[in-house]
Amino acid sequence: SAVISQKPSRDICQRGTSLTIQCQVDSQVTMMFWYRQQPGQSLTLIATANQGSEATYESGFVIDKFPISRPNLTFSTLTVSNMSPEDSSIYLCSVEVLGGYYGYTFGSGTRLTVV
Amino acid sequence: GIQVEQSPPDLILQEGANSTLRCNFSDSVNNLQWFHQNPWGQLINLFYIPSGTKQNGRLSATTVATERYSLLYISSSQTTDSGVYFCAVEPKNDYKLSFGAGTTVTVRA
Repeated sequence: SAVISQKPSRDICQRGTSLTIQCQVDSQVTMMFWYRQQPGQSLTLIATANQGSEATYESGFVIDKFPISRPNLTFSTLTVSNMSPEDSSIYLCSVEVLGGYYGYTFGSGTRLTVV
Repeated sequence: GIQVEQSPPDLILQEGANSTLRCNFSDSVNNLQWFHQNPWGQLINLFYIPSGTKQNGRLSATTVATERYSLLYISSSQTTDSGVYFCAVEPKNDYKLSFGAGTTVTVRA
């Protein structure tokens, strides 16, 4: 299955600042997915990142708050902008391994604390 | 959208015990996966199992797609099995994974 390198693994940030999270995949993938996991909660899809087009955001998430880049088929970034303590969460990227029996695989996650 | 319900929400086990986790889903699916989230937040893929039965060591899973449920079995539990277990499904005609609320498993020595 695909291997995803995600960084940073954790960060503590001041409110009002922005953080960019990177995901690098060891193979070319069409779609990359970004999730948020708030404390004690399940995972919620933020957006789908397609190479060569704008990301598709889920209800409740907007591009100004969570801009996404997808410059090629192996890399994507998610920025959490103008952060507040409510943005404290684990953020994960994911890809689907097509043509096999692995389904979706996830990066190791970024644990963000906003103070 | 599709609904994914996991039970029980919490499970406390003595080391060596067996247990069963359940996942019910409300519509037909292309994909069903079980994940284990460790205390560091990392999400580990346990099984890709849209139908049938699979085994991996002390863990096994069964999905009955026609009845829209899946079961995850943990046998001879160990303290390292502690964490949150998530069921996630990909509905037919949609590429997105939807997650259940998870089952928090605590295995005591």
